[in-house]
Amino acid sequence: DAGVIQSPRHEVTEMGQEVTLRCKPISGHDYLFWYRQTMMRGLELLIYFNNNVPIDDSGMPEDRFSAKMPNASFSTLKIQPSEPRDSAVYFCASSLTSPWDEQFFGPGTRLTVL
Amino acid sequence: GESVGLHLPTLSVQEGDNSIINCAYSNSASDYFIWYKQESGKGPQFIIDIRSNMDKRQGQRVTVLLNKTVKHLSLQIAATQPGDSAVYFCAVLEGFQKLVFGTGTRLLVSP
Repeated sequence: DAGVIQSPRHEVTEMGQEVTLRCKPISGHDYLFWYRQTMMRGLELLIYFNNNVPIDDSGMPEDRFSAKMPNASFSTLKIQPSEPRDSAVYFCASSLTSPWDEQFFGPGTRLTVL
Repeated sequence: GESVGLHLPTLSVQEGDNSIINCAYSNSASDYFIWYKQESGKGPQFIIDIRSNMDKRQGQRVTVLLNKTVKHLSLQIAATQPGDSAVYFCAVLEGFQKLVFGTGTRLLVSP
């Protein structure tokens, strides 16, 4: 298995632009997680899905952030409009059958908003 | 909510030494704990976990100790190698639903 796949690996955009991050979880995993990592706040859970259904989005910073999982093999995290404070590394992770199963992380997307 | 903290932001050791990375948590009801390793430019990687009904668990060159009385856990790495250089996070399962990660400790191993 190729592991969790994220794209793009790096994204540089200007303030106000829409940004879409993509994730392909490990096949057969029921749970998908989106995290954000910054030096100031560390690794924060934004939202997670179970069988494509959002379960907890309490970590989503504000309405500018949205996430979807249209099918078991694909998820997106969208920021519209983007702001410089959104600059961070965004990780997607998946786990097999529960949130406390080992979570496998993707390589992350480094987002820079100018 | 859960808060997880680390005592030291950076730990420098010599190759071959044993390393100990510490983590404190605040919720006495927490019952599942995990250590992750994050190498530069990569996502976190699971190392070892422990449940609250245990106070010690061993893996390959790693041992996790849990002290529920003082709400503290530690990761011990035996015979530390340069490849162990990374940031190490403890994480606590909150409400049986999501992991709360600590801020991380950077381990630097010099040859």
